[in-house]
Amino acid sequence: AQKITQTQPGMFVQEKEAVTLDCTYDTSDPSYGLFWYKQPSSGEMIFLIYQGSYDQQNATEGRYSLNFQKARKSANLVISASQLGDSAMYFCAMRQSTGGFKTIFGAGTRLFVKA
Amino acid sequence: DAGVIQSPRHEVTEMGQEVTLRCKPISGHNSLFWYRQTMMRGLELLIYFNNNVPIDDSGMPEDRFSAKMPNASFSTLKIQPSEPRDSAVYFCASRPARDPYEQYFGPGTRLTVT
Repeated sequence: AQKITQTQPGMFVQEKEAVTLDCTYDTSDPSYGLFWYKQPSSGEMIFLIYQGSYDQQNATEGRYSLNFQKARKSANLVISASQLGDSAMYFCAMRQSTGGFKTIFGAGTRLFVKA
Repeated sequence: DAGVIQSPRHEVTEMGQEVTLRCKPISGHNSLFWYRQTMMRGLELLIYFNNNVPIDDSGMPEDRFSAKMPNASFSTLKIQPSEPRDSAVYFCASRPARDPYEQYFGPGTRLTVT
């Protein structure tokens, strides 16, 4: 069965430091996609970064990078140089390649950036 | 591009009333998703459509919930009759038919059933 696990309900990080948010997944599909979304207190869901299962290099988008370890089935999000505006809920998600490309989400990690 | 549009943004209703949530996906996107978010259960996929056809409705909680997508630019999620435990934020998201298939979320509808 497809599953996304985020084991950190909450994380604290000092402003300007880097932080890693953990995500592990389980799938039997050979082809899949992994996503991270940010949900600030205002409630909207914002797409951050994507990693395809066949991508050789880790995805990067500005201060966001995805540490993709396929053998370990992990897709951790790294935020460098944290800013106060990074305080939000972060969701890891996986899109499977079968069944109509259904996407499932993890439970989320709430990040608090301290000044 | 206007993004995914949802209406209403907030809905307060009494138990037993019918509630209809509306969604207009991004033009050209061929998949549409309805999610429910609560503190207790997180983000749950209720149903999703590909090319206006429901593909997976296994997340719909019970028969009180129904969803339709009569055309590529409009979808509704209906709850009849509503109950207090239906109180949540309901998100609609759409997705293009091209890699990487990321979803674009609407602003959500905050439903309160009293």
